[in-house]
Amino acid sequence: GIQVEQSPPDLILQEGANSTLRCNFSDSVNNLQWFHQNPWGQLINLFYIPSGTKQNGRLSATTVATERYSLLYISSSQTTDSGVYFCAVERHRGSTLGRLYFGRGTQLTVWP
Amino acid sequence: DTEVTQTPKHLVMGMTNKKSLKCEQHMGHRAMYWYKQKAKKPPELMFVYSYEKLSINESVPSRFSPECPNSSLLNLHLHALQPEDSALYLCASSKAGTGREKLFFGSGTQLSVL
Repeated sequence: GIQVEQSPPDLILQEGANSTLRCNFSDSVNNLQWFHQNPWGQLINLFYIPSGTKQNGRLSATTVATERYSLLYISSSQTTDSGVYFCAVERHRGSTLGRLYFGRGTQLTVWP
Repeated sequence: DTEVTQTPKHLVMGMTNKKSLKCEQHMGHRAMYWYKQKAKKPPELMFVYSYEKLSINESVPSRFSPECPNSSLLNLHLHALQPEDSALYLCASSKAGTGREKLFFGSGTQLSVL
């Protein structure tokens, strides 16, 4: 399969702080998604971003496919941002189409 | 409507029981997925259905039996499970299952096997 490494594994912030989460992957991908899993287990799709930059409110993401990494930026963090952030990728190979490989996630805790 | 609905939210079963997990979506998606997630771990793919046909089975034990009655519904039938099968079971859907697609997840069924 493909290796997906996320950093940092844990992040603790004060409310209002900014943060950057990183996702490195070991092969060419045609699909990269960022998810937020809240404390109740719900996985929310934040971005579908195989390349380029997207913004959604306080969140933005950049994927540099040629250098095999993606970054998720969270600005002015809020306590509701707490949870686990997963990066998931799909390889640019026929036999693995439809298979999303998840990284181990970044556990974010935001204190008031 | 961008929801994927899973029932039940919690399930406790014995090793000799037979139970089913259900998943439903009304987004017109033609691909549906089952993922398994152990505590503090990432989700792991189990099965993919594309146009109601099983397209991916990630070597899942036969005590897990998926079923896709139509493009909106996905079931996971459970029989003779082991305690190590206790996990969060997540359903997801996407447009067609042909790759390069955004996945939408349900809130999961937390399964405990006693």
